[in-house]
Amino acid sequence: EPEVTQTPSHQVTQMGQEVILRCVPISNHLYFYWYRQILGQKVEFLVSFYNNEISEKSEIFDDQFSVERPDGSNFTLKIRSTKLEDSAMYFCASSEQYNEQFFGPGTRLTVL
Amino acid sequence: AQSVTQPDIHITVSEGASLELRCNYSYGATPYLFWYVQSPGQGLQLLLKYFSGDTLVQGIKGFEAEFKRSQSSFNLRKPSVHWSDAAEYFCAAGNNAGNMLTFGGGTRLMVKP
Repeated sequence: EPEVTQTPSHQVTQMGQEVILRCVPISNHLYFYWYRQILGQKVEFLVSFYNNEISEKSEIFDDQFSVERPDGSNFTLKIRSTKLEDSAMYFCASSEQYNEQFFGPGTRLTVL
Repeated sequence: AQSVTQPDIHITVSEGASLELRCNYSYGATPYLFWYVQSPGQGLQLLLKYFSGDTLVQGIKGFEAEFKRSQSSFNLRKPSVHWSDAAEYFCAAGNNAGNMLTFGGGTRLMVKP
């Protein structure tokens, strides 16, 4: 069964460093998403991406964040200068048009 | 503002007992509704979805959910819980199946032997 994969499973970084979280969506899907879950809090939407551009983003997704689909398979989330409050589980998801979103296993980001 | 509420943070049931997890939403129009399950170390797996039509929807692993417009609810049910059902369950809603999802806070289910 096709699935969304994410790497790494756990990333530890120092405050102020740049991190790139990687995702491989399901191959025939057209919409891509990033969500995050701070420990003990709700899963929160960050951004959606379609046709090589951002289609929707939340207030959380400020200038420190960017997304990219550098090739035909990967979808990345970059945080330019990490803060302590960026520590969270980051989930990637993908969907076909007008269908449910399929989620990856997540990347746990720890900012020290 | 759009919101999804899961009133129960933790629920413990005995194996073989029935289960109902509550979900309420606040949206301008009838949203698309989903239930996801997350086992430790795993991603979010879709259990079932409601877009339109029959208000009782069947999902995987023996789960079902009923959409009640009058109560703005989409409760998840299972007639007989198995120990492997222990996990965290998330209700989510969206305006369009391709758009952002708003999640509830989750309900952690524990199953007693």
